[in-house]
Amino acid sequence: DIQMTQSPPSLSASLGDKVTITCQASQNINKYIAWYQQKPGKAPRQLIRYTSTLVSGTPSRFSGSGSGRDYSFSISNVESEDIASYYCLQYDNLPPTFGAGTKLELK
Amino acid sequence: QVQLKESGPGLVQPSQTLSLTCTVSGFSLTSYNVHWVRQPPGKGLEWMGRMRYNGDTSYNSALKSRLSISRDTSKNQVFLKMNSLQTDDTGTYYCTRDLTYWGQGTLVTVSS
Repeated sequence: DIQMTQSPPSLSASLGDKVTITCQASQNINKYIAWYQQKPGKAPRQLIRYTSTLVSGTPSRFSGSGSGRDYSFSISNVESEDIASYYCLQYDNLPPTFGAGTKLELK
Repeated sequence: QVQLKESGPGLVQPSQTLSLTCTVSGFSLTSYNVHWVRQPPGKGLEWMGRMRYNGDTSYNSALKSRLSISRDTSKNQVFLKMNSLQTDDTGTYYCTRDLTYWGQGTLVTVSS
């Protein structure tokens, strides 16, 4: 199984900050990575697929990049509604595997 | 629009079998894959398995011996059955179309 190492586990930001989360795969995943936002008591919401493609409805302040084994997800100009947990997912190989998550909090 | 909804018992006794149903609308089970993902309280997401559009199934190797996924296309339903439940199987269980569209999840507690 491909392991996804996500960091940091938690992040503290002020409104308007730019934050970045990284995921490193245990092998090349050919850009097949998605990013999810999850708020307490809610299902995950896919924000980005195939490294950098924004899902319909995802605000443009969210972005993704990367290749090979190394990927990143950024939020520019953090807003209060962005306070949530974020997960990466590789779907290049079965089984799909998630990163451990990053909890974004307000400073 | 695409919708998925999980249903099943909220409480299961240890060693018993969990049966969940995912009822979908807005798309055909013969055109899209449906996955099951679970999340223990306060923890991360774990892929459990999937029903492909063509009826094939794949399972997480850690759960394979206990897990079965099936479907009834006439009822637009996908089923999950997992036996020998233990307390660490407690969590929220989600069905999702292609890991893009998600149901609201259903909380399953394993307790006597």
